Amino acid sequence: ILNVEQSPQSLHVQEGDSTNFTCSFPSSNFYALHWYRWETAKSPEALFVMTLNGDEKKKGRISATLNTKEGYSYLYIKGSQPEDSATYLCAFLYGGSQGNLIFGKGTKLSVKP
Amino acid sequence: EAQVTQNPRYLITVTGKKLTVTCSQNMNHEYMSWYRQDPGLGLRQIYYSMNVEVTDKGDVPEGYKVSRKEKRNVPLILESPSPNQTSLYFCASSIIAGELFFGEGSRLTVL
Repeated sequence: ILNVEQSPQSLHVQEGDSTNFTCSFPSSNFYALHWYRWETAKSPEALFVMTLNGDEKKKGRISATLNTKEGYSYLYIKGSQPEDSATYLCAFLYGGSQGNLIFGKGTKLSVKP
Repeated sequence: EAQVTQNPRYLITVTGKKLTVTCSQNMNHEYMSWYRQDPGLGLRQIYYSMNVEVTDKGDVPEGYKVSRKEKRNVPLILESPSPNQTSLYFCASSIIAGELFFGEGSRLTVL
C-alpha cells in the first residue's frame, strides 16, 4: 500500500513567522507531486505541480522544493499571515501520467494575528 | 468561468435508497475523479476516469459506481447507501497529470 506522509499534522504560528512542512512519498515510480491549499468550508486549490528532481516553485510568499530520489518535498511559507491559515495537502502521482493520485492527510496551519 | 459543479451540495437520505451525485466540468478535461473526505483520514479516492467510457477503482470503491458517458460528466452512484457512506464528497477534474480542479463538495448523510 502506497503511503504519503505529511508532517506535522498541525502547526500554530504567529503572524510574521516563517514556517515549513514536509511531504514524504515513495521514491519509486514517481511521476509528479502536487501541493494544494484547502481553506475551511471551501474546496482544495492547487498551489504547485512538480515533476523534476530538484524542482523549486514559488507563488508569492509560498515556495516548494522536490527531492524525488529520497522521496520528500518541502513547502515553505515566508512571513505567515492569518489568511494563510488552511490545510495544506500534498498528493503523489505514481505509475505514469495515467496513474493514480494519492493524497496525504494534510498539515493544518493556524496563523495567529 | 471554468468550474466543476456538483449536485446536490447537501443531502440527507436513508439506508438503501439509491442516489446519484452529479459532477460536471466545463474545461474539456480528460481526467475526472471522486474523493471522500472523512475526519482524520484525509481525501481518499473512490473512482477515477481517464476519458469517456474509461473508469478505474481508487482506494475505496466499495459501495460506489461511476459512469462516464460524456466527457464533461461523471456521476457518482450509490446503489444502496449505508451509514458508513456518510461523508463529504468531492469531484475533481484535470488534464492528464495536471493540477486538479475541485467542485464545491457534497455533504451526504445516510440515516
